[in-house]
Amino acid sequence: GAVVSQHPSRVICKSGTSVKIECRSLDFQATTMFWYRQFPKQSLMLMATSNEGSKATYEQGVEKDKFLINHASLTLSTLTVTSAHPEDSSFYICSARGGLSTSYEQYFGPGTRLTVT
Amino acid sequence: KQEVTQIPAALSVPEGENLVLNCSFTDSAIYNLQWFRQDHGKGLTSLLLIQSSQREQTSGRLNASLDKSSGRSTLYIAASQPGDSATYLCAVPQGAQKLVFGQGTRLTINP
Repeated sequence: GAVVSQHPSRVICKSGTSVKIECRSLDFQATTMFWYRQFPKQSLMLMATSNEGSKATYEQGVEKDKFLINHASLTLSTLTVTSAHPEDSSFYICSARGGLSTSYEQYFGPGTRLTVT
Repeated sequence: KQEVTQIPAALSVPEGENLVLNCSFTDSAIYNLQWFRQDHGKGLTSLLLIQSSQREQTSGRLNASLDKSSGRSTLYIAASQPGDSATYLCAVPQGAQKLVFGQGTRLTINP
């Protein structure tokens, strides 16, 4: 149980275009989803937290107009990188937590490798 | 603000050895602590989660301990195998939402 999927696993886009990444909880309802970014040989950096049906809360320094997050249902959150630039190239990982979880455990997706050319 | 530190940053040992990875955190008021494994270019796999009321958790050859008062956790790997080669991350919640990660330990098990 507690499986989280991401799509696509890899994406290459041209500078100036927008890219959407999907994060799905497959076998549980995720009231909260998290989006992380990871640069090579570095740890995960939390970008934003989204609760179903409400606006995402962004971490300091993360541009909310550039990284659009939508958590429209209990099983799906999307991250859209708008007007992508080469510096947005990174590994993006989502995680999800169920509403009944009392342990605050997060379940992670397999990640999406974004390359902006 | 919670800060998590992992030592060593990298570790290379021969197959079969037992080894210990260390994690320390600055704020001892945590709900739990998680250890993850990340293979190169892949997502995170949860290995063990220790609740704040627990002292240790075991899964197969892995044993994780937690000492909240000293702000430390260790991950013990017994009889290491080449397949254990990966980056190991520990993380603690900051408040009820955010997970704070350490920088990870890159483990290489040599056949």
